[in-house]
Order: sequence, then structure tokens, then C-alpha cells
Amino acid sequence: DVKVTQSSRYLVKRTGEKVFLECVQDMDHENMFWYRQDPGLGLRLIYFSYDVKMKEKGDIPEGYSVSREKKERFSLILESASTNQTSMYLCASSFFNPETQYFGPGTRLLVL
Amino acid sequence: RKEVEQDPGPFNVPEGATVAFNCTYSNSASQSFFWYRQDCRKEPKLLMSVYSSGNEDGRFTAQLNRASQYISLLIRDSKLSDSATYLCVVILDRGSTLGRLYFGRGTQLTVWP
Repeated sequence: DVKVTQSSRYLVKRTGEKVFLECVQDMDHENMFWYRQDPGLGLRLIYFSYDVKMKEKGDIPEGYSVSREKKERFSLILESASTNQTSMYLCASSFFNPETQYFGPGTRLLVL
Repeated sequence: RKEVEQDPGPFNVPEGATVAFNCTYSNSASQSFFWYRQDCRKEPKLLMSVYSSGNEDGRFTAQLNRASQYISLLIRDSKLSDSATYLCVVILDRGSTLGRLYFGRGTQLTVWP
């Protein structure tokens, strides 16, 4: 079974803090993705990566950065957390030519 | 304009009912189509792919109309366990978008006893 794990299920941070969200997949997938999901807005793509050290901006990259130093690990970084980054963050992975993406369980982030 | 548009619902139906969801996509170059299911407070999971000729998986039937650029999902004999949000998903030309999926906002279904 494919497994995508995320470092935390719930996280509470203060405005201005630097936040790291980590995602690990065990299927040797080339592609990895970070989304945020908000009520009424659906899934929105923040960043994705198709290879180690490669990254591409998604639809809403502002305020975020990513790091992919190893194939199995993709990190999302909030350089200075703000309240409007309170959301559910979902990581996903897939093969290069995907028929599907596999999602992690999500991290609910609250920024106070 | 969003790549994928869905009626958000909610759809509230009794057990045993038949319910249908539609979804439209904007890019005629779209190559692959899927329905995902997301339970409350859980991650999305693949429900089924959608093929040009239409396809069935038990009580679920998916259809694609390329001319009108829409996808449908039909659920027959609804069960309480079908209550979830259903996401319409499209892949454009894979070579240029590096495997990116485009998600609709989802249609919420509640099946009541």
C-alpha cells in the first residue's frame, strides 16, 4: 500500500513564526505536491516538485517556500506565518505520468 | 476561470435514491478524468477513472462528453456510507504540466436514512 505521511496532524503557531510542514512518501514517486484546502475554495495547489531539488509554483505560492533534498521528502515552509494561512494542508505524491495522486492525512494549521 | 467547475451542492438524498453530479472542464486539451471521494476531515482518495466510452464500478457510473466538455458521476441505490464530498479531477497534457491534476471544488452528498 502506498503511504504518504505528514509530520503533524494538528499544529498551532503564532503570527510571525517560521513553520515547517514535512511530507514523506514510500513509493519512490517522482512527483510531490502541497495543497491547501479551505471551505468553499476547494484544493489549491501551492507548490509541486517533479524531481529532487526541482520545484514549480502552483496557483498560490505567495508566503510559502518548499524544499526537496531527497526524493521521498517534500517540505513546505511558511517563512513568517500569518493568520490567513490557517488552513488544512495536504501533501500528495504520484509517478511522473500519473493516473492518480496519493494524499497524506493532512495537517490542520492554526495561526494565532 | 477555473479549469474545473462543479455544483457544490449540497445534495441531500434518502437511502436508495439515485443521484447524479456533473462537472465541466475548460481546457479541450484535457486528457484524463477522474472522480475522487473525500470523507469529512479525511484526505481525498481516488474513486474511479472516467473513460471516453463510460464505465461502471458497482453502483457508480462515470461518463465523459468530450464535445460538451463535461463529466458525470451517477450513484444508484445510495447508501449512508456514500455521504462524502465528490471531487472532479482533470489532467491536461501530461508532458507539459508534469503530472499536475486540476481539482474541482467538490460536490457534497449526504444520504439520510
